[in-house]
Amino acid sequence: AQKITQTQPGMFVQEKEAVTLDCTYDTSDPSYGLFWYKQPSSGEMIFLIYQGSYDQQNATEGRYSLNFQKARKSANLVISASQLGDSAMYFCAMREGSYGGATNKLIFGTGTLLAVQP
Amino acid sequence: NAGVTQTPKFQVLKTGQSMTLQCAQDMNHNSMYWYRQDPGMGLRLIYYSASEGTTDKGEVPNGYNVSRLNKREFSLRLESAAPSQTSVYFCASSDKGGNIQYFGAGTRLSVL
Repeated sequence: AQKITQTQPGMFVQEKEAVTLDCTYDTSDPSYGLFWYKQPSSGEMIFLIYQGSYDQQNATEGRYSLNFQKARKSANLVISASQLGDSAMYFCAMREGSYGGATNKLIFGTGTLLAVQP
Repeated sequence: NAGVTQTPKFQVLKTGQSMTLQCAQDMNHNSMYWYRQDPGMGLRLIYYSASEGTTDKGEVPNGYNVSRLNKREFSLRLESAAPSQTSVYFCASSDKGGNIQYFGAGTRLSVL
């Protein structure tokens, strides 16, 4: 069954340091996508980064990168040079099926609360 | 740049009351979704609409109904609210089924 696991309920990081948020997934579909969303205290869900199962390179978006290890079924989010504004809940999510295809369902993990300390 | 707009932002209901949560998107997206977020459980899909005129159940559809009124609007109805439906509700949309989903700001619902 499709499943997303985030084992870190909360993390601290010092400002300007890098931090890795863990995400492992389970699926039997060879085609899938992995997403990371940020939820600040204001409550909205903000899309950060996407990785397709057939993408050869790890996705990067500014200070965000996704460390995709297919054999280990992990899709960790790396935030470089942490800023105070990065303090938020972070959710990993997975979709089975190809990008642009018919599948609509995202399965979310339980989230990791990141606190950036000055 | 409105994106996905949800109304209301907050609502308190008594057990047994009904209400409709409204969602509208201005990105010309085909697919729309309703999720609920409960503490410690992440987001769970209630219903989705792959395109105008179609709706399908997600992971937790019991106690809810939806209407895809047109391409822009997707509403979620609670016919007889229960305390177990106390949650934060999010609407999202994407241009195609598997693509990036963009979320509204959420509706915080309390059922007493």
